[in-house]
Amino acid sequence: GQNIDQPTEMTATEGAIVQINCTYQTSGFNGLFWYQQHAGEAPTFLSYNVLDGLEEKGRFSSFLSRSKGYSYLLLKELQMKDSASYLCAVPQNRDDKIIFGKGTRLHILP
Amino acid sequence: DSGVTQTPKHLITATGQRVTLRCSPRSGDLSVYWYQQSLDQGLQFLIQYYNGEERAKGNILERFSAQQFPDLHSELNLSSLELGDSALYFCASSSSLSADTQYFGPGTRLTVL
Repeated sequence: GQNIDQPTEMTATEGAIVQINCTYQTSGFNGLFWYQQHAGEAPTFLSYNVLDGLEEKGRFSSFLSRSKGYSYLLLKELQMKDSASYLCAVPQNRDDKIIFGKGTRLHILP
Repeated sequence: DSGVTQTPKHLITATGQRVTLRCSPRSGDLSVYWYQQSLDQGLQFLIQYYNGEERAKGNILERFSAQQFPDLHSELNLSSLELGDSALYFCASSSSLSADTQYFGPGTRLTVL
C-alpha cells in the first residue's frame, strides 16, 4: 500500500528558514516529488529526489533518506510569496500513478 | 504557464447532470493524468492515459469516465452529478509512461448545485 504523512499546517516568519517533513510508505520506490500549490491554483513542480541526500535549487532544497522513508523540503530566506501548500508525492511504482500527500499549508508572517 | 490547457475554467451545474471536462497536454507529452481536489483535501488521483490507452486507475467513481483521443487531448466525463462532486479537477501531463515530472493545467472548478 501507499501512505504519505505531512504536517497539516506550519507558520514561519519572513526571512527565516523552514523545514517541511514528509514520511512515506511504499511497496516500491521510484523517487519522491515536491510540488508547490498556491490556493486555487495548479501545483507546480519543485523537486524530484531519487537518490539519498540533499539537492539544492536556489532557496529551496530537498532531502531524501530512502532507508528511513523520509524526505524534507527546506525553504530559506522565506518570502511572503512562499505562502502556499507544499505537496509531497511518491510514485507507486515505475509505470503507475503518483500518490500525493494532503499537503502542508505554510503561512508566512511579516 | 505549464503548457497544459483545460476548459472550461469554471462550470456550474445541477445535481443529476452530466459534464465533460477537456484537457490538452503539453506539446509532445503522451501521458495525461486526471486529479480531483476537494476543499481542504489533497489531490486524489483519478486516472491516467498514455498514448490513447488507459494505464492506471485511482479512486475514480463508476459515474466518471475518461478517454484520450488520437490527438492526445483528453476528456473527463462526470455523470449523475452529486453535490459532493464539487471540486477542482486538474489535468496534468508528462512526457513518459514512468514516474516523471507532471505539469498541471490551471484546473476546472466544478460547482454542483
